[in-house]
Amino acid sequence: NAGVTQTPKFQVLKTGQSMTLQCAQDMNHNSMYWYRQDPGMGLRLIYYSASEGTTDKGEVPNGYNVSRLNKREFSLRLESAAPSQTSVYFCASSLLRGDNSPLHFGNGTRLTVT
Amino acid sequence: GESVGLHLPTLSVQEGDNSIINCAYSNSASDYFIWYKQESGKGPQFIIDIRSNMDKRQGQRVTVLLNKTVKHLSLQIAATQPGDSAVYFCAEISWGKFQFGAGTQVVVTP
Repeated sequence: NAGVTQTPKFQVLKTGQSMTLQCAQDMNHNSMYWYRQDPGMGLRLIYYSASEGTTDKGEVPNGYNVSRLNKREFSLRLESAAPSQTSVYFCASSLLRGDNSPLHFGNGTRLTVT
Repeated sequence: GESVGLHLPTLSVQEGDNSIINCAYSNSASDYFIWYKQESGKGPQFIIDIRSNMDKRQGQRVTVLLNKTVKHLSLQIAATQPGDSAVYFCAEISWGKFQFGAGTQVVVTP
């Protein structure tokens, strides 16, 4: 039981390049999330998927897109990377959004945009 | 306590002592609270949670206290060990929406 798995662990991009961050969970959770973590700040929600087939914007969605591929997988795409997107990205899952259950996090993708 | 900005507050604790980490939350409608531990290079790890109808909850070596009157949450770690060195942050949840504090760096000294 691996929990939440993210790939890649590290990535360096040049400004304007694109990439997709992958996330998969094996806990049969319905809801999945993408957060970014910047130094000295709390986690900020980029996008979430409350259930398979739905996606919604969080508080910082600009410059990102997501795909809920199936119940297990939720990917985050940067179409044209910018230095402001240098951050650590965390995928998380929960049993069901809104039911007061904890988020379970992956170990993150450390992205640098030069 | 929690802070916004580039530098996290640091709590230095001697091994074997008790640690108390504080969190001030902002939304009086929040009805669920979680403490997470984040070790360097890893994702946040669930430690303990508490619902708003409680004021205290205990786990293994950890206790969470909730004071809704002053919107304050604390995490107590008993007999702090070197493995407790990490960033600890709180989350307040309202209508399924999570809001996270920036965290407190706990450093355990021998």
